[in-house]
Amino acid sequence: DAKTTQPTSMDCAEGRAANLPCNHSTISGNEYVYWYRQIHSQGPQYIIHGLKNNETNEMASLIITEDRKSSTLILPHATLRDTAVYYCIVRVDSNDYKLSFGAGTTVTVRA
Amino acid sequence: DTAVSQTPKYLVTQMGNDKSIKCEQNLGHDTMYWYKQDSKKFLKIMFSYNNKELIINETVPNRFSPKSPDKAHLNLHINSLELGDSAVYFCASSQVVLRGPGNEQFFGPGTRLTVL
Repeated sequence: DAKTTQPTSMDCAEGRAANLPCNHSTISGNEYVYWYRQIHSQGPQYIIHGLKNNETNEMASLIITEDRKSSTLILPHATLRDTAVYYCIVRVDSNDYKLSFGAGTTVTVRA
Repeated sequence: DTAVSQTPKYLVTQMGNDKSIKCEQNLGHDTMYWYKQDSKKFLKIMFSYNNKELIINETVPNRFSPKSPDKAHLNLHINSLELGDSAVYFCASSQVVLRGPGNEQFFGPGTRLTVL
């Protein structure tokens, strides 16, 4: 699976959009981009995933660049409850179902 | 309704003891996982079972033995506990869709194991 690079931490104001970048320059054509988050003392939570098209669900939007070498997770209106570690993961959808978590980005939403 | 549950939530034990952590999912998924999160907060896959068959074993010491009595349960038994086993252990489940868009994994709340 391709490796990802994310900023270590970022702050965001409550009510504003939070844009979380992820670089995955070695991604291959059959690898998906997944985002999970882990709120303190809880298990990780799935947010969204995509292959090459932009995706949106009730939690977030995922913007993938045309060359697929980077992506951005957008939390449209951040709340204090969005404070968490956000993980960007790329993986092939194959019989190997594991998720390989990196260090992620610690996002702190401030009032 | 809890989707993925683990017991116990906290486990404190002495070195050398044997302990088990239980995991149950009520989502009807066919694949279950165990992950370990160490003190540096890195999450690493340990095992994965699909339809009660082991499909991933990430070079975990053989002191760790997963057991899947049925598709809804994946228990983790640890023999001869060591200090380095102290961590948070997460169970997860997913429904695998081959050649599908991806498998969302649902995680349990974690079991914090402390070995003294």
